[in-house]
Amino acid sequence: QQQVKQSPQSLIVQKGGISIINCAYENTAFDYFPWYQQFPGKGPALLIAIRPDVSEKKEGRFTISFNKSAKQFSLHIMDSQPGDSATYFCAARTGNTPLVFGKGTRLSVIA
Amino acid sequence: DTGVSQNPRHKITKRGQNVTFRCDPISEHNRLYWYRQTLGQGPEFLTYFQNEAQLEKSRLLSDRFSAERPKGSFSTLEIQRTEQGDSAMYLCASSSASRYTQYFGPGTRLTVL
Repeated sequence: QQQVKQSPQSLIVQKGGISIINCAYENTAFDYFPWYQQFPGKGPALLIAIRPDVSEKKEGRFTISFNKSAKQFSLHIMDSQPGDSATYFCAARTGNTPLVFGKGTRLSVIA
Repeated sequence: DTGVSQNPRHKITKRGQNVTFRCDPISEHNRLYWYRQTLGQGPEFLTYFQNEAQLEKSRLLSDRFSAERPKGSFSTLEIQRTEQGDSAMYLCASSSASRYTQYFGPGTRLTVL
């Protein structure tokens, strides 16, 4: 049973547009929700993370929205750029335990 | 902070051979994790260490897989009698005990022919 479900599988966005990626989780014990960005041939790099005591966190063009009651969280990329083209993974964990990842979203930003 | 390093970056081997990968974590991090990532999937947890103690192993870690972290520094992941299904990217990550952030290395791409 997949603990973190991510959608969509792939996404094409025009340059300057907003990219939105969604994740849903089932384990209410999760208390840390990071997003990772991965370029081909590279390891995942932490983009932004949130804890369930806040509903939104913004860092530059990247925003996480968190809905605890719905057990959902999403990543918004504002003013998307071609350099943002990558695969994005949501993840979750309880305490300092191993991460559980979603299956990833391949984002393509086209000019 | 030099980041997490992994060696080799690529490994091609024939089925049935043994392979060993190395991970050097960020120096002050006492937690070290191994994940496996297949094409089009997210990383899947294999095992992790706190200092030299192996705290948890996933059911994905068959008896052909063994991991060590002597002296709580670098770690090695060995796969014995490799199978074609072992072909994947093997990722290492590290974190400190007080902070939740896991930092990933560049991975080792294994191809089993």
